[in-house]
Amino acid sequence: SQTIHQWPATLVQPVGSPLSLECTVEGTSNPNLYWYRQAAGRGLQLLFYSVGIGQISSEVPQNLSASRPQDRQFILSSKKLLLSDSGFYLCAHRDPGDYEQYFGPGTRLTVT
Amino acid sequence: GEDVEQSLFLSVREGDSSVINCTYTDSSSTYLYWYKQEPGAGLQLLTYIFSNMDMKQDQRLTVLLNKKDKHLSLRIADTQTGDSAIYFCAEALGGQNFVFGPGTRLSVLP
Repeated sequence: SQTIHQWPATLVQPVGSPLSLECTVEGTSNPNLYWYRQAAGRGLQLLFYSVGIGQISSEVPQNLSASRPQDRQFILSSKKLLLSDSGFYLCAHRDPGDYEQYFGPGTRLTVT
Repeated sequence: GEDVEQSLFLSVREGDSSVINCTYTDSSSTYLYWYKQEPGAGLQLLTYIFSNMDMKQDQRLTVLLNKKDKHLSLRIADTQTGDSAIYFCAEALGGQNFVFGPGTRLSVLP
């Protein structure tokens, strides 16, 4: 069965500090991977998606970047965090040709 | 354009049925989904319906799709306190694009 992990689960970082959030998927090959942000009390905003190693598409211009160094690893980064980067970050995966998207447990980021 | 809308809040009494509604704008949607998010957790896929279907039933869940009006609903029969959560409607467009609604917070009152 497929499993998706995210860490850390929670993170408190000061403004201007760097960020690295990691997502890994088990039990699948060549998945499509996604990063979403959920601001407090709001819906999901798609930030990045990847269809393969080294292939990243950005949906919105922002302070964040993503990388996919391995087939089942997706990393969300920032060089300098802003207060507005606070939120709940969700990683998701979908098998090519499948119509179901599965989510990880999320990382709650608070920028102070 | 792509836009998915939902009411933000719904309260029901335990044992009653809940109906969560969603409207979408893109007629090219292939699949439509309902996700459940419990506090502090990720999203759990509840059910989905292909765009050429009108209805799908899965235990206490019934999904109705009116493609002409671009309206999707989720009915939860015999609502329990454990059903309290935020429910997201989402549509899958071509390619990689999943568009989510803002979520409906369901509160189940004893």
